[in-house]
Amino acid sequence: GAVVSQHPSRVICKSGTSVKIECRSLDFQATTMFWYRQFPKQSLMLMATSNEGSKATYEQGVEKDKFLINHASLTLSTLTVTSAHPEDSSFYICSAALDKDRAYAGYTFGSGTRLTVV
Amino acid sequence: SQQGEEDPQALSIQEGENATMNCSYKTSINNLQWYRQNSGRGLVHLILIRSNEREKHSGRLRVTLDTSKKSSSLLITASRAADTASYFCATDIYSSASKIIFGSGTRLSIRP
Repeated sequence: GAVVSQHPSRVICKSGTSVKIECRSLDFQATTMFWYRQFPKQSLMLMATSNEGSKATYEQGVEKDKFLINHASLTLSTLTVTSAHPEDSSFYICSAALDKDRAYAGYTFGSGTRLTVV
Repeated sequence: SQQGEEDPQALSIQEGENATMNCSYKTSINNLQWYRQNSGRGLVHLILIRSNEREKHSGRLRVTLDTSKKSSSLLITASRAADTASYFCATDIYSSASKIIFGSGTRLSIRP
């Protein structure tokens, strides 16, 4: 149980175009989802927290107009990289919390999306 | 922002030996989690230890937590080639918004 499906696993796009990444919770409702990015041989950096039905909370230094997050339902969050540039090439990973109780052991991750902007 | 630092950054050991990785963090936490990541793949949750726990075991894994020193360690006993991966600690920080912040990671290589 508690599977998060992330799609696509790989995407190559041209500079200036937009790319949408989907993160779906398959067998549970995800009231909160998190988006991370990871550069080669580095750790995961939290980009934003999205809550179903409300605006995402972005971490300092992350451009909210460039990385659009939508969490319109309890099973789907999307990250859209707008006007992508080569420096946006990275590994993007979503994570879902099972509920809002911080004491609960419930964070599950998608398999990641490798974005390459050419 | 990055909450934790891990050491060593890289570790290479012989198969069958034990591997120990350490994690230090900065702020109060609700719990601390350890994850494994194989190259270019997603993360696999290994173990979670709550702030009121001091030690936890799961199979060949042993995790300790010292909240007074803001540090944790992950011990993998009797290492196998399949344990080769990057290992990250992640802290569930005690704030108004529950979220986990990852440490810098340890790249573990097991030599056959």
